[in-house]
This record gives sequence, structure tokens and C-alpha cells, in this order.
Amino acid sequence: NAGVTQTPKFRVLKTGQSMTLLCAQDMNHEYMYWYRQDPGMGLRLIHYSVGEGTTAKGEVPDGYNVSRLKKQNFLLGLESAAPSQTSVYFCASKAGVLPQYFGPGTRLTVL
Amino acid sequence: GENVEQHPSTLSVQEGDSAVIKCTYSDSASNYFPWYKQELGKRPQLIIDIRSNVGEKKDQRIAVTLNKTAKHFSLHITETQPEDSAVYFCALLRAGTYKYIFGTGTRLKVLA
Repeated sequence: NAGVTQTPKFRVLKTGQSMTLLCAQDMNHEYMYWYRQDPGMGLRLIHYSVGEGTTAKGEVPDGYNVSRLKKQNFLLGLESAAPSQTSVYFCASKAGVLPQYFGPGTRLTVL
Repeated sequence: GENVEQHPSTLSVQEGDSAVIKCTYSDSASNYFPWYKQELGKRPQLIIDIRSNVGEKKDQRIAVTLNKTAKHFSLHITETQPEDSAVYFCALLRAGTYKYIFGTGTRLKVLA
């Protein structure tokens, strides 16, 4: 049981490049979340999903897209990366009223 | 929208002393309040949580109190140890949604 995993762990992009971050969970959780963490700002919700095939916007969705084609995977896409998207990205998942469990994070730098 | 204010942003205590971190919120319908600990370079990990029908919850050296009238909840760590040094985040679940709102974090340093 790997829990919540994220791919890749680190990435450096140039402005304008695109990439996809993968979050995978093997706990059969319905809910999945993408957050970004910046110094002094805590965790801010980008997008979330309440089930396979559904997605919804969080606090800071601009510049990001998501997809949840399979229950166990939640993908975060950056179509045209900007330096303001330099951050640590965390995925989380949960089931029902149980707490969220976080993945190990992806450190993204946009030059 | 909903907002969570967390204080203090940094806290230094001597080993063995107690530490208290407080969060205030505005939406009285919020009903779930978790606390996370994040060590440097690691993921946030849940350490304790409380629901709105409970006023206090304890787990060994850690306790959380909730005052729904005043709209604040606090994390209490007693007999602090160096391994308690980390960043602590409060959070709440917005009523009627699946979205969590996080505080901005408290960096706790326990001095040996």
C-alpha cells in the first residue's frame, strides 16, 4: 500500500513550457486535491475532485487544468508555465469523513 | 470568502515548556478542524483533529480546543521536545463543500 504518490519529485521548466504532474492513490479514495505551497502562505487549493470524471476549482485555479479519468489518478497540467507558478505542489486524497492524506510533493521551478 | 488566521507565525520555547498556537475563523458553519505538522522538506501530516460537536480532544502530549462561540481553535503541545520542531498548520472544512482552508503556518522551535 503506497498511499499517495506524486510524479515527478522535482522539475525545472522554462517559461512557456507545459507539463503534467501525476498524483496516484491506492486507497480507493473518492476525493482528491491539488495544493500549492509558497513560503508564508500555507497551502492553497488549486483544484479538487469529488469522484472519477469530476473536477472543480479551488482558490487559485488560474493557469492550471486538471483531469480525473481514473479514480486512482488526478493529473495537474500547466499549459504555459510562468515564473509565478514556481512552488511546491502537494496532492492529497481522502475518503468520506476521514482526514486528508498528502503525497510527498513536487518541487517545480519555472525559469 | 472563508479565511483562517493563524498566530503566532513563529514560536520558540524551551524544551519541556508548553506551546500554544491559535487559529480564528469567520464562517460559523465550519464543522471540521484538523491540525497538520510539516517537517522540513516533508509532506504535511495530520496530528490531531476535532469536529464542531466536541470542545476538546487530547492525544498524549497534544490537545486541541474549539470555541465555536468565539470562532477559534487552538493546538496545545505540552512537555515539548526537540522533535516537535516543525511548521504547524491549522485548517478547516468549509461547511457544505469539500474544500479545506489552511492557515499560514506556525514555525515552532523547541530549544534544547
